Amino acid sequence: QKEVEQDPGPLSVPEGAIVSLNCTYSNSAFQYFMWYRQYSRKGPELLMYTYSSGNKEDGRFTAQVDKSSKYISLFIRDSQPSDSATYLCAMSVGSSASKIIFGSGTRLSIRP
Amino acid sequence: DADVTQTPRNRITKTGKRIMLECSQTKGHDRMYWYRQDPGLGLRLIYYSFDVKDINKGEISDGYSVSRQAQAKFSLSLESAIPNQTALYFCATSDLPKTSRPYNEQFFGPGTRLTVL
Repeated sequence: QKEVEQDPGPLSVPEGAIVSLNCTYSNSAFQYFMWYRQYSRKGPELLMYTYSSGNKEDGRFTAQVDKSSKYISLFIRDSQPSDSATYLCAMSVGSSASKIIFGSGTRLSIRP
Repeated sequence: DADVTQTPRNRITKTGKRIMLECSQTKGHDRMYWYRQDPGLGLRLIYYSFDVKDINKGEISDGYSVSRQAQAKFSLSLESAIPNQTALYFCATSDLPKTSRPYNEQFFGPGTRLTVL
């Protein structure tokens, strides 16, 4: 079993829709949870970061962590075509941990 | 602009050839990483280095070697390439976590698409 599981998609939604992207994990020691966004032919870039459980909001993006269920989510409100990308969840045990475990990524397409 | 660059961007080679992928950064970060990305498997860590004298194996180091020539340069070598090393390779850098940013944010290069025939 992989430490981090992520539905690969692809996921296609109309512009303006609310998007929900999710990951599950098995290692209860994970404390730092991140979402990276990767555009086609580019490297991933950090989108959101959350420590431990709870929600964090940044503009149209909300990251949610439920440690009791070992489940994290990224919500995108009022989705735009420019949000079309692959979204990778990532997590680590410590803040300076060398080892970050990445999900396999979900490919998202927003239809105009 | 401070950046992470990778050369070459694309490479096609044959089984058994030695190949080197290069990474340079102008971010001034001490930590550098090499990952490979495969469909359905995500990013997997090959090697990482916390400073010029520090080299560590990652999850999938077999068949690879690295060299940290300077703070800004970190090279990945495939001593004898094989077809299942066909993948997208990324170099990344990170700084030490700080109070203002208490997490390990990694900055990725644009990637090298490697095909081994």
